[in-house]
Amino acid sequence: GNSVTQMEGPVTLSEEAFLTINCTYTATGYPSLFWYVQYPGEGLQLLLKATKADDKGSNKGFEATYRKETTSFHLEKGSVQVSDSAVYFCALSSRDQGGSEKLVFGKGTKLTVNP
Amino acid sequence: KAGVTQTPRYLIKTRGQQVTLSCSPISGHRSVSWYQQTPGQGLQFLFEYFSETQRNKGNFPGRFSGRQFSNSRSEMNVSTLELGDSALYLCASSLVSPPGTQYFGPGTRLLVL
Repeated sequence: GNSVTQMEGPVTLSEEAFLTINCTYTATGYPSLFWYVQYPGEGLQLLLKATKADDKGSNKGFEATYRKETTSFHLEKGSVQVSDSAVYFCALSSRDQGGSEKLVFGKGTKLTVNP
Repeated sequence: KAGVTQTPRYLIKTRGQQVTLSCSPISGHRSVSWYQQTPGQGLQFLFEYFSETQRNKGNFPGRFSGRQFSNSRSEMNVSTLELGDSALYLCASSLVSPPGTQYFGPGTRLLVL
């Protein structure tokens, strides 16, 4: 079945440091790939997405490129801020024959950014 | 547009009771999905509804059920609660066409004592 593996946390960085969170996936077909972020006590917010190979998703300084050859979708940001402290989830979405889509998530990576 | 709303936000129940959670999707979104989030198991898919029909179901016991109304609002029900049902229950809505992105509500945090 489909699965997502992302680097275990926690990750602690200083403000303005470079961030990479690795994510690899296993899927049949051509899934869409997502990064969601969860702030304490809240639900999931979509951060960025990519729907086909070589697509680059970007938002709020975060980027991730859909790499089919390495089945990866690593999240990067050039300069993190304290406000980026949150849990980040990599996910894939695949559609079944009945048209239903479901998300399969990685286990999440907790990021703490210190001033 | 208003986002996905879920009620209640917090709930405390005791073992053996049942609970009903509610979700109102983004206006125009006809697909509603439910997920359970726990520290041990992470985020797991419960079920997905479209046009008042369950189209997909995750690997959860029959105590977990749901429904969708004609206005796309959805409810999920858990009967005979167990301690392990304590979790954050997240609802997400999406367009059917074009497909894809699911938008999440703030969740209902359920504590079973």
